[in-house]
Amino acid sequence: EDQVTQSPEALRLQEGESSSLNCSYTVSGLRGLFWYRQDPGKGPEFLFTLYSAGEEKEKERLKATLTKKESFLHITAPKPEDSATYLCAVRGSNYQLIWGAGTKLIIKP
Amino acid sequence: DVKVTQSSRYLVKRTGEKVFLECVQDMDHENMFWYRQDPGLGLRLIYFSYDVKMKEKGDIPEGYSVSREKKERFSLILESASTNQTSMYLCASSPPGATNEKLFFGSGTQLSVL
Repeated sequence: EDQVTQSPEALRLQEGESSSLNCSYTVSGLRGLFWYRQDPGKGPEFLFTLYSAGEEKEKERLKATLTKKESFLHITAPKPEDSATYLCAVRGSNYQLIWGAGTKLIIKP
Repeated sequence: DVKVTQSSRYLVKRTGEKVFLECVQDMDHENMFWYRQDPGLGLRLIYFSYDVKMKEKGDIPEGYSVSREKKERFSLILESASTNQTSMYLCASSPPGATNEKLFFGSGTQLSVL
């Protein structure tokens, strides 16, 4: 069964304290792994797509990496405005998206 | 700026009522989707549409129907609302192609069924 698990459920960091969010997946025929950011009261906003193991994408303080079993979203020297829920989704061979439950990130000043 | 607009931010309905959730996109996208989001769960796909007049069931279509009479508008209908349909409903759109990578979401409708 295709599955996506995100950990931790919540993460509290001090401003400037770097860390990583994890997205573990099992899917037949990966057609892409996606990261989205969701602010309270808003819909998810697209961040990255990764297609193959070893691939990396960066945007400001965020870097996403991919292996055959998991993806990491690395956050370097985060700021309070990086506080949000980060969602991971994978697309398998049937082209439908399977979503994780998300990691709620809180950055304290 | 591209936009997906959901007609209501908050909605309170009674059990048994027929409920309409409206979604409009201004990006000329072929693909539109309805998801529900519940605490502790990933987004779950209710229905989607790849073209006008076309609709496909997602993972949890029971108790819902949809309408797509115009390309820019995709409506979700709860035929007889029940308390277990209390949830955040998210509409999304994307350009054509099954492998398109980027979904554009609306801000969501928080529906409470009493």
